[in-house]
Amino acid sequence: EDKVVQSPLSLVVHEGDTVTLNCSYEVTNFRSLLWYKQEKKAPTFLFMLTSSGIEKKSGRLSSILDKKELFSILNITATQTGDSAVYLCAVERGNQFYFGTGTSLTVIP
Amino acid sequence: ETGVTQTPRHLVMGMTNKKSLKCEQHLGHNAMYWYKQSAKKPLELMFVYNFKEQTENNSVPSRFSPECPNSSHLFLHLHTLQPEDSALYLCASSQYGAAKNIQYFGAGTRLSVL
Repeated sequence: EDKVVQSPLSLVVHEGDTVTLNCSYEVTNFRSLLWYKQEKKAPTFLFMLTSSGIEKKSGRLSSILDKKELFSILNITATQTGDSAVYLCAVERGNQFYFGTGTSLTVIP
Repeated sequence: ETGVTQTPRHLVMGMTNKKSLKCEQHLGHNAMYWYKQSAKKPLELMFVYNFKEQTENNSVPSRFSPECPNSSHLFLHLHTLQPEDSALYLCASSQYGAAKNIQYFGAGTRLSVL
């Protein structure tokens, strides 16, 4: 059965900390892995990864994919309270997107 | 603003009511999706439409009825729902077949079934 597993389920950190969120997957006919940030409304797109070992970076956020070991990580450095959200990982397989349960991140001032 | 608009944002309905959720995308995409998001569960894909044709129906009960009159609009018709159907319903669109098939989401409709 195709599945996406995220860990940890929740995380509480202080401003300035660095966090690493994990996403492992078992999905046949993998095409890409996507990360989203969801605050109280629409999930917003962060990164799309298709190749192993190539880091995608946007400001304090970065992500990398390992297609051999079937996982991805999302790093956030120097966290801020505005980073508090649920981070979703999804694997795309053509017309199907498989989502994990998400990691809830809370950043305390 | 993600280019995907959902209405209404909130909906409270009784089990005997009939209501509809609306989604409109302004991104020129060819695929649209309905998801159900419940607490502590992964997003559940309900329906997929490519070029107005339904291509996926993930064992969704018949009390949920989708309609896609064109590539920009998607509806979810609801009737005789159950309390366990209370959830956030998200609409998304993407460009199926593109090198970067990224889904863009609407803000969702928070549905409460009494």
